Amino acid sequence: AQKITQTQPGMFVQEKEAVTLDCTYDTSDQSYGLFWYKQPSSGEMIFLIYQGSYDEQNATEGRYSLNFQKARKSANLVISASQLGDSAMYFCAMRGANTGNQFYFGTGTSLTVIP
Amino acid sequence: DVKVTQSSRYLVKRTGEKVFLECVQDMDHENMFWYRQDPGLGLRLIYFSYDVKMKEKGDIPEGYSVSREKKERFSLILESASTNQTSMYLCASSFGDGYGYTFGSGTRLTVV
Repeated sequence: AQKITQTQPGMFVQEKEAVTLDCTYDTSDQSYGLFWYKQPSSGEMIFLIYQGSYDEQNATEGRYSLNFQKARKSANLVISASQLGDSAMYFCAMRGANTGNQFYFGTGTSLTVIP
Repeated sequence: DVKVTQSSRYLVKRTGEKVFLECVQDMDHENMFWYRQDPGLGLRLIYFSYDVKMKEKGDIPEGYSVSREKKERFSLILESASTNQTSMYLCASSFGDGYGYTFGSGTRLTVV
């Protein structure tokens, strides 16, 4: 079975500071993909970043980076230089090789950026 | 850009009504999914489809059915709406293995 755990229901960060959102996962698959999505108050889910289980380098996309620690089964999202527009819900998700195209999601972290 | 369109942003229905939530994607994606999102529970998969006229149950299919008569359209049906189906419903699609999801903007359904 696949499981994603996000232990931080809510986080606050000062504008221009960096913040780390935690995500741990559990899977028996050898090959899997990890995703982060952002959900603003408008409701739409926006894809942020992807990490494959065999990728040797941590994924980066602009101000987003993924701190992938395979042995610890963690895939934390790091947002650098936070902006007010980063205030949103953030979801970690995983797709395993044996789950077809089905994604498993965590419960989300609500991030608030303080001016 | 791939677009996934959900027909309604907000919907209010009465208990016992039959409710249709429509989702259309415009990039010939094979896979389509319906999730419901509730605070503290994250996203839970209701049904998904890998092809026309094909459907598979997700984790919480009870009280729901789906229809996929055309590749671009995936409908979620609440046969007899109940108050515990008040939720945010998200539709997603993907091209195939190894590809991420593209989501619609969601439908906030309230059953009174």
